[in-house]
Amino acid sequence: ILNVEQSPQSLHVQEGDSTNFTCSFPSSNFYALHWYRWETAKSPEALFVMTLNGDEKKKGRISATLNTKEGYSYLYIKGSQPEDSATYLCALSNAGGTSYGKLTFGQGTILTVHP
Amino acid sequence: DAGITQSPRYKITETGRQVTLMCHQTWSHSYMFWYRQDLGHGLRLIYYSAAADITDKGEVSDGYVVSRSKTENFPLTLESATRSQTSVYFCASSVDPRVAAQHFGDGTRLSIL
Repeated sequence: ILNVEQSPQSLHVQEGDSTNFTCSFPSSNFYALHWYRWETAKSPEALFVMTLNGDEKKKGRISATLNTKEGYSYLYIKGSQPEDSATYLCALSNAGGTSYGKLTFGQGTILTVHP
Repeated sequence: DAGITQSPRYKITETGRQVTLMCHQTWSHSYMFWYRQDLGHGLRLIYYSAAADITDKGEVSDGYVVSRSKTENFPLTLESATRSQTSVYFCASSVDPRVAAQHFGDGTRLSIL
């Protein structure tokens, strides 16, 4: 079982602040890194899927970077809004074999944006 | 565009009973997954399926059974429900889970008394 670590576990910011959090993973056997946004009482919603070292993806005020050699990804939110409050999950898809297609999820970073 | 639907949304049952959670997707995705949401553990994979009639165990498969006779359906059965199986269950599908996002259903909240 792969070990996917997210930090911090939770984060409180004020509206308008920019914030970032980290997903760490073993760099060997890497295939793809997924980010999901999960609002309370809803289902996880995909943000990004990244596969290449140095990949950067952006969706509105949210962006992500990937470093497969050192085994981490950063998620950035610029100018946080209360509606950004959610749990942000990262998940690792490994290279294959008997685990083909399986995602291993981190425990998530809970973001609360205060008005 | 229904996407992926789970039923029932809420279920209360008693220990020892068999219960089946349904998952249906309209995208013809090959891959389907069942997860459970547990405090302190996030999302944990119960079972997954790469195609009709192909299934494989996940991290927490004990006490669960799946079948996939048709591409669009992936039911999850608790053979003899236990209180430790009280959880929120999510079904997901993907065209290729290595490089494409998984699409999640709305979840089934299951309580076992």
